[in-house]
Amino acid sequence: DIVMTQSPDSLAVSLGERATINCKSSQSVLYTSNNKNYLAWYQQKPGQPPKLLIYWASTRESGVPDRFSGSGSGTNFTLTISSLQAEDVAVYYCQQYYYARTFGQGTKVEV
Amino acid sequence: QVQLVQSGAEVKKPGASVKVSCKASGYTFTDYFIHWVRQAPGQGLEGMGWLNPNSGDTAYAQKFRGRVTMTRDTSISTAYMDLSGLTSDDTAVYYCARQGARTDDLRGMDVWGQGTTVTVSS
Repeated sequence: DIVMTQSPDSLAVSLGERATINCKSSQSVLYTSNNKNYLAWYQQKPGQPPKLLIYWASTRESGVPDRFSGSGSGTNFTLTISSLQAEDVAVYYCQQYYYARTFGQGTKVEV
Repeated sequence: QVQLVQSGAEVKKPGASVKVSCKASGYTFTDYFIHWVRQAPGQGLEGMGWLNPNSGDTAYAQKFRGRVTMTRDTSISTAYMDLSGLTSDDTAVYYCARQGARTDDLRGMDVWGQGTTVTVSS
């Protein structure tokens, strides 16, 4: 299985400040046939299902605010919230879908 | 609108089985894989496997092989997840989610069910 490791486990950020979450995969998730990284980011608020934010490591899902951005390739990825809003308080998960589906352990973002 | 609606909460005794349903609407059921993901209380997300509603083919995470069965009824656009041999460790919220079926155009899981709470207790 591909193991996904996120850092940090939790993060306290002031409103309007930047939040950065890292995700590392135990092997490359770059699908060479289309040069896409099969890596997604999800946001989960208490009592709700996860919400897809980003796929292909850097493509925002429709309707996701542009303060959310993803970067990275191969085995190292980053989710950045450029200016944290109160509604962004949540747990964030990375997920690889290159081989089977595995999630990182989650990063809790607080104010 | 596109949605997945899951069956209601279940309480089961150890050793029993549970079957959770996931009804799709607003899109062509056979165009998207259905994944099952669970979340134990206060814990992270754990993928259990997926179902190709078009062919009925399945792929299960190694942890659940032998205990999980995923099926579908295309006539009512519904997927099912059956988990047997329940223990207290299976107490969790179980989600279904859809993901595109084209390997060369795979995106994330873009639509999720509301979750079904399964409690295993004697």
